[in-house]
Amino acid sequence: QVQLQESGPGLVKPSETLSLTCTVSGGSIGINYWSWLRQPPGKGLEWIGYVYYTGSTNYNPSLKSRVTISVDTSKNQFSLNLNSVTAADTAVYYCARTFSADWYFDLWGRGTLVSVSS
Amino acid sequence: DIVMTQSPDSLAVSLGERATINCKSSQSVLYSSNNKNYLAWYQQKPGQPPKVLIYWASTRESGVPDRFSGSGSGTDFTLTISSLQAEDVAVYYCQQYYSNTRTFGQGTKVEVK
Repeated sequence: QVQLQESGPGLVKPSETLSLTCTVSGGSIGINYWSWLRQPPGKGLEWIGYVYYTGSTNYNPSLKSRVTISVDTSKNQFSLNLNSVTAADTAVYYCARTFSADWYFDLWGRGTLVSVSS
Repeated sequence: DIVMTQSPDSLAVSLGERATINCKSSQSVLYSSNNKNYLAWYQQKPGQPPKVLIYWASTRESGVPDRFSGSGSGTDFTLTISSLQAEDVAVYYCQQYYSNTRTFGQGTKVEVK
């Protein structure tokens, strides 16, 4: 049974970089597409972007200038870097899987809350 | 981006009664080459990640009770809970995966009347 687990700091200062990692267990990261999404407290869902095991990426244009998603196949992990954060980036961040590039999110991590505050 | 608009924002339904949630996309999510609607429905309970219920607009995910059904095509879609159970209290989201930028509806909160 494939599982996803997000990890990283729960508090980031304004203007700094938010960095999270998603560990894929019970299966290989070398197939499927791997996404990051977020949900501000009490609000809806926003897709941030995805990475394929080859390293190819696709980002939400609204965040593209600040986002980097990368993959480490040797560790079965993929990561999110979001720079120049503000309070508006405070959210629960989820990692998720899609079978292919044009597919629904069939598996999600439990999510991790990241707060941006000084 | 394709804008997804759900209605209503919230609804209260008696146990055992039908709940209907609508989702409208700003452009068609029907891919003509395979006649598939690139539309999914998710259920999110408090403190939990979303869980897919329906994909391709009307295909129920394995393990999802058959009281959940999806319908519609093109730009207009519906999620129906035929007989609301207490465990169905949640927020429901539609999501399109037709375009390169995935987008979600704003969510519909379902409560027990």
